[in-house]
Amino acid sequence: DAGVIQSPRHEVTEMGQEVTLRCKLISGHNSLFWYRQTMMRGLELLIYFNNNVPIDDSGMPEDRFSAKMPNASFSTLKIQPSEPRDSAVYFCASSLRLAAQETQYFGPGTRLLVL
Amino acid sequence: QQQVKQSPQSLIVQKGGISIINCAYENTAFDYFPWYQQFPGKGPALLIAIRPDVSEKKEGRFTISFNKSAKQFSLHIMDSQPGDSATYFCAAKGSGSRLTFGEGTQLTVNP
Repeated sequence: DAGVIQSPRHEVTEMGQEVTLRCKLISGHNSLFWYRQTMMRGLELLIYFNNNVPIDDSGMPEDRFSAKMPNASFSTLKIQPSEPRDSAVYFCASSLRLAAQETQYFGPGTRLLVL
Repeated sequence: QQQVKQSPQSLIVQKGGISIINCAYENTAFDYFPWYQQFPGKGPALLIAIRPDVSEKKEGRFTISFNKSAKQFSLHIMDSQPGDSATYFCAAKGSGSRLTFGEGTQLTVNP
C-alpha cells in the first residue's frame, strides 16, 4: 500500500516566484497536515484539515501561504510570492481521524530552496 | 501551555550503550505521547507511543517511561546500534488531531 506521496521532491526557485507543493494522502485517511522543518525552528505545523475542511491554520506564516484540499485525497500548499526565508523542507502527513491513537504518517518531504 | 520541551539537543552513545531522551510538557489535557524517528532525507516515522494510563511501554529495544505527576516522559534505547543514529522527536496530543512536537534530539551511535 502506497504511503503519503509528495511532489516535487526538490524545488529550486527564485525569489518572487510562485511555488506549489503537492500531497496525496494515504487511501482512506481523512486528516491532512502540512509541516515545515528548518534547523532553527524545528518541525512546525502550518495547517491541518479534517474531511477536507481546514481546522487550524494558525501556523501559516502569512498571507503568502495558502493550502487547499480540492478533494479527499489530494492537497496543495502554495507560496506566492516566495522568499528566501521560505527555504525549508515541507512535509505533509495524513491520518485516520477516527482511530484512537490517530498515527500521523509523513511523506518524504519537499526540499525547497528559494534563491 | 502547548509546548513540549525535549533534551538533550544531541547525544552521542557507544554501540551497545543506552540512549535516553527526555521530554516535559505542561498541558495536562495531552493524552497521547508518540515518539517519532527521522533519518536524513526522510519524513518522521512513528516509533512507539504511550497513553498516560500506563507508566511504561516496551517494544523491542525501545521503552517509553511516563511520569504523569511530573509531566515528563522519556525514550530509552537499549543496546543502541549505529542504525539507530537518527533524529528523535517526542510529541503530545490532546483531544484534537494536532501533535505538538519537541525540538528533536540528534542521536549518533558510534560503532
